[in-house]
Amino acid sequence: GQNIDQPTEMTATEGAIVQINCTYQTSGFNGLFWYQQHAGEAPTFLSYNVLDGLEEKGRFSSFLSRSKGYSYLLLKELQMKDSASYLCAWAISGGYNKLIFGAGTRLAVHP
Amino acid sequence: GAVVSQHPSRVICKSGTSVKIECRSLDFQATTMFWYRQFPKQSLMLMATSNEGSKATYEQGVEKDKFLINHASLTLSTLTVTSAHPEDSSFYICSARPGNTYEQYFGPGTRLTVT
Repeated sequence: GQNIDQPTEMTATEGAIVQINCTYQTSGFNGLFWYQQHAGEAPTFLSYNVLDGLEEKGRFSSFLSRSKGYSYLLLKELQMKDSASYLCAWAISGGYNKLIFGAGTRLAVHP
Repeated sequence: GAVVSQHPSRVICKSGTSVKIECRSLDFQATTMFWYRQFPKQSLMLMATSNEGSKATYEQGVEKDKFLINHASLTLSTLTVTSAHPEDSSFYICSARPGNTYEQYFGPGTRLTVT
């Protein structure tokens, strides 16, 4: 099957750091995406990892370990506006490189 | 750059009617577009992959005769929900991929309500 798992919900405090984990099936892998989605809106691109290691973009960083089928999204200096769902998506090789999305992690940031 | 639009943003229709949703890439050519459906508090479920000039590829469990997809040009794909029923009420989102990149750019989504 095409499995991708991430926690359903997380809460964190404004100004803190939070790590959202994602595990995926390792066969036919062509990269790992993270998207942010606010309620009622379309997803917006955050990051793309295809090689092992950490990619940093301002307050957001994403890590990938291909051998372990594992990724995480790290959010620093949390702000209230970071309250959203974070979707991990695995790009499948072959065909049209479609994305398989995880169920999403709903992050609630509180004061 | 890489802007994708969808029209309409919201639509309410009666059961048994058909609804067409348009997805356009505004500043790039997209040989491949994807159609997703998202129910409340759930993730995006890929319905089909749309390729310009060829038949769409549907995911398992998606009825191709009910969800008609036409990718007539490199900037436009349409999804027609035929004989809509209340259970088809959902948030429909398209995405487009420029050239041979892996990244997909999402449209703003269409909220369909079938009464």
